[in-house]
Amino acid sequence: QKEVEQNSGPLSVPEGAIASLNCTYSDRGSQSFFWYRQYSGKSPELIMFIYSNGDKEDGRFTAQLNKASQYVSLLIRDSQPSDSATYLCACVGSQGNLIFGKGTKLSVKP
Amino acid sequence: DTEVTQTPKHLVMGMTNKKSLKCEQHMGHRAMYWYKQKAKKPPELMFVYSYEKLSINESVPSRFSPECPNSSLLNLHLHALQPEDSALYLCASSQGGGIYEQYFGPGTRLTVT
Repeated sequence: QKEVEQNSGPLSVPEGAIASLNCTYSDRGSQSFFWYRQYSGKSPELIMFIYSNGDKEDGRFTAQLNKASQYVSLLIRDSQPSDSATYLCACVGSQGNLIFGKGTKLSVKP
Repeated sequence: DTEVTQTPKHLVMGMTNKKSLKCEQHMGHRAMYWYKQKAKKPPELMFVYSYEKLSINESVPSRFSPECPNSSLLNLHLHALQPEDSALYLCASSQGGGIYEQYFGPGTRLTVT
């Protein structure tokens, strides 16, 4: 059974700082990873996906994948109060479904 | 366009009622999913439809019955639910064929009384 582990937080950073969110996974064969942002009472929103080792940048977001260490991270540069949300890390299950970690709650303080 | 729509947004039903949740996408996606999410928990998979065929059922109770009338529509029929079934029900879709990015609808907030 594939598992994804995340620190539930809360992670608190000041406005303008870099927020670093981390995730580990159990199945060495996992290939694809996703970061979703979920505001309270709303549905998850896909913000990044990464399939290859290394870094992938999109605006203020950088996803990092290290398959040797079975580690995925999300960096948010210039954090804004509007980034305050729960961030869910996910990998792909055997039927193409997503297997989620428990999520990390991020709080960006003005 | 990555829009998945769900209706209704909110639903309150008694334990003897029958109701249905609806989901629609027009992105040409061939895989559609139902997830259930309880407060402060991650989404949990209920059903997967791939190319309009049910390909997985995560031991969900029979009081939940999925239906995929066509490649754009997904229904979840509810009958004789329990109060513990109260949750946010999320529909998602993905392109399929080895492309796994899933896009979620806004969800239906279900309360069973």
